[in-house]
Amino acid sequence: KQEVTQIPAALSVPEGENLVLNCSFTDSAIYNLQWFRQDPGKGLTSLLLIQSSQREQTSGRLNASLDKSSGRSTLYIAASQPGDSATYLCAVFDSWGKLQFGAGTQVVVTP
Amino acid sequence: NAGVTQTPKFQVLKTGQSMTLQCAQDMNHEYMSWYRQDPGMGLRLIHYSVGAGITDQGEVPNGYNVSRSTTEDFPLRLLSAAPSQTSVYFCASSYKWDSEVYFGPGTRLTVT
Repeated sequence: KQEVTQIPAALSVPEGENLVLNCSFTDSAIYNLQWFRQDPGKGLTSLLLIQSSQREQTSGRLNASLDKSSGRSTLYIAASQPGDSATYLCAVFDSWGKLQFGAGTQVVVTP
Repeated sequence: NAGVTQTPKFQVLKTGQSMTLQCAQDMNHEYMSWYRQDPGMGLRLIHYSVGAGITDQGEVPNGYNVSRSTTEDFPLRLLSAAPSQTSVYFCASSYKWDSEVYFGPGTRLTVT
């Protein structure tokens, strides 16, 4: 069974510092991987989808990499801002689009 | 586009009651799914649908029923609510099974 792990569980950084969030998965036979953001009491907001054939995907200050052979994905957020404070979740696509989620990394960016 | 919408936002049920959580999307997405989110357990798939008339079970389907009569709607029915079903429920959709997934705002359900 696919297991998805996100380390660390929580992270606090001062404003302006770059954020590095890690996601690892046990079965490299994944299709795609998606990163989400969740604010307290809210739904999940899609950040980036990385197709299985891609190594990297970028959107603004966000960059996500995917290394299927080592079972890892990393989300980089450049020049963090207090508005980046949230929980970040990664999810791998199993067959038929069933998502397996990690437990998330709770990020606090202090002014 | 309204995206993925869910009603109600909050619901309190007594043990044994039944109810339906509504989910709709206006993006003409074929793929829809239901997840529950619990502290310490993360998000887990309940049921999913790859198109109108086609549904299948996810990781935690017991106690829940679904049907998909239209592309737009994917309701989740709780047959006889139990305290273990206290959770936050999210509906999600995507254009195809391997496309970007969009989530609704969630329904917070408490069963007493």
